[in-house]
Amino acid sequence: EDQVTQSPEALRLQEGESSSLNCSYTVSGLRGLFWYRQDPGKGPEFLFTLYSAGEEKEKERLKATLTKKESFLHITAPKPEDSATYLCAVQAPGNQFYFGTGTSLTVIP
Amino acid sequence: KAGVTQTPRYLIKTRGQQVTLSCSPISGHRSVSWYQQTPGQGLQFLFEYFSETQRNKGNFPGRFSGRQFSNSRSEMNVSTLELGDSALYLCASSLSGDSYNEQFFGPGTRLTVL
Repeated sequence: EDQVTQSPEALRLQEGESSSLNCSYTVSGLRGLFWYRQDPGKGPEFLFTLYSAGEEKEKERLKATLTKKESFLHITAPKPEDSATYLCAVQAPGNQFYFGTGTSLTVIP
Repeated sequence: KAGVTQTPRYLIKTRGQQVTLSCSPISGHRSVSWYQQTPGQGLQFLFEYFSETQRNKGNFPGRFSGRQFSNSRSEMNVSTLELGDSALYLCASSLSGDSYNEQFFGPGTRLTVL
């Protein structure tokens, strides 16, 4: 069964304290792995797409990496405005998308 | 470029009623997907429409239905509402819905069933 699991469920960091969020998946024929950021009361905002193991993408303080079984979202020197829920999704053959339940990140000034 | 728009933003209904939600995708996008988001389950895929045809469907009962118009706008309908249907309903659009096409989400419609 295709599945996406994110950990931890919640993470509290001090401003400037770097960390990583994990997304592990089991899907046959991965077509893409997506990271989104969601603020309260809003729809998810697209961050990254990764297609193959070994691929990395960066945007400001965020860096996403992909292996054959999991993806990491590394946050370097986070700021309070990085506080949000980060969602991971995988695209399976047939264009089905499966989402994890997200990691709620709080960055304390 | 305007983003994905959803109307209404908030709805309150009672059990047994039906509801229709609307989604206007980004101009040029032909694929529209619908998701239900609840605190416990996260985002769950409802269905995807492409060129007025339902291309994919998630594991939801037949009370949940949708359609897409020739201008790519989409509507979702839920009949005989149940308390458990209370959720944030999100619409996402992409260029063609094929691989390598990111989905862009609207702000969602918050449905409360009393």
